[in-house]
Formats: sequence, C-alpha cells, structure tokens
Amino acid sequence: DADVTQTPRNRITKTGKRIMLECSQTKGHDRMYWYRQDPGLGLRLIYYSFDVKDINKGEISDGYSVSRQAQAKFSLSLESAIPNQTALYFCATSDSDKQAFFGQGTRLTVV
Amino acid sequence: AQSVTQPDIHITVSEGASLELRCNYSYGATPYLFWYVQSPGQGLQLLLKYFSGDTLVQGIKGFEAEFKRSQSSFNLRKPSVHWSDAAEYFCAVGGYGGYNKLIFGAGTRLAVHP
Repeated sequence: DADVTQTPRNRITKTGKRIMLECSQTKGHDRMYWYRQDPGLGLRLIYYSFDVKDINKGEISDGYSVSRQAQAKFSLSLESAIPNQTALYFCATSDSDKQAFFGQGTRLTVV
Repeated sequence: AQSVTQPDIHITVSEGASLELRCNYSYGATPYLFWYVQSPGQGLQLLLKYFSGDTLVQGIKGFEAEFKRSQSSFNLRKPSVHWSDAAEYFCAVGGYGGYNKLIFGAGTRLAVHP
C-alpha cells in the first residue's frame, strides 16, 4: 500500500460544484501539504499544516479550503469549482529530515 | 523572494548519452536543494538532496548533482541515460523552518531516443 494515498485519482466536475480531495498517510508525519501542478509552472503550494490545530495558506490558496481531520488525514476542498482549477493536485508529507513524500496525484477537470 | 529556474523545458537525448539538467535558485542563504522525478501518471520521487557538506551528491538511479554556490546552481547529471529515465524532473529549494515548505522549478521534460 502507498504511504500517501489520494482519492479520487481522477475527477470530472461541473463549474460551481463543491468537491473534496482526500489524502491519508501512514508515514506518521506531522507535516502535510497540498500542491497544484500546472504545465510549465511546476508545483505550487496551496495549503500546509503542521498538525490538526495548525493550518496555513500557501502561495495560491484563493478558492480552496482544507481540513486536517487527524494527523493522518488532510482534505482539500473547492467550494465552487471553476475551470481554471483544472489541474493535477498532489498531497505530500514530510518529516524532520525535510524530505517530502508525495501521493500519486488527483487529476481534476472542471467543465 | 525565493525562486527556482529550470531553463530547459524539454530535452531530448539518445540512449547511452550523458545528461545534464540545469537548475538555478534564488535564496538568501545556503538553501536545502532537491531533485525530484515524476514518471507519467505517478507522483514525485526524490532523486537526491543537498543540505551541507560535500557539494557533489549522489542519488538513486545513477544520478548525481553538484551544488555551486558561486553560480547559485544545482545541476543534475547522469553519465549514461537509459530509456526508462524519460520523465519530468523538478528542482526544488526550501525546507527551512518547521514547515519544510518547498519551492519548485517549472520542470524539465526529458525524452530519450533509442
């Protein structure tokens, strides 16, 4: 089983719909992140969290919200999806050794 | 502001040829530097990292990278490329503070010709 699991792996949704992307990890790491990948832009940080009581906005948080339900679970929500949120989304964790571990990604298409 | 530049969007090499992928960073102090690889349909896998010490670091899959402070560079190299190396490669900087946030370059897509 993967250490960082994202669900769903693929999703097509309509403009204006609310959608949640889920992430769970078995690595026991405190730090969790949501990144967005767009062609030619690399990965950009949306939100990050140190623990369940600590949520921080990243570089591109507008239009997104997150919930850290437990140490192992970190969900990303799009309250009202729009087409320019079509992208590949990655959840990641890290430990005190600073290495990040990534899930396999969720490909989201907003039509 | 911190930033990472990967000047080459696409690179094509022949199998068995040598490879160098360029990465330049902007950071106020000695950075933590990383190279990640993304195979099609997969997440990102760490190839190697530099924190301090020897400026030539060895990674997995036969890759190495050299940190050059004077040039603000951290180029990735491999002496002989295999077809399975075709992927997208990302350079990243960061990891400071308790949050270990990363800033990524735009990526370099590598194609390998037989």
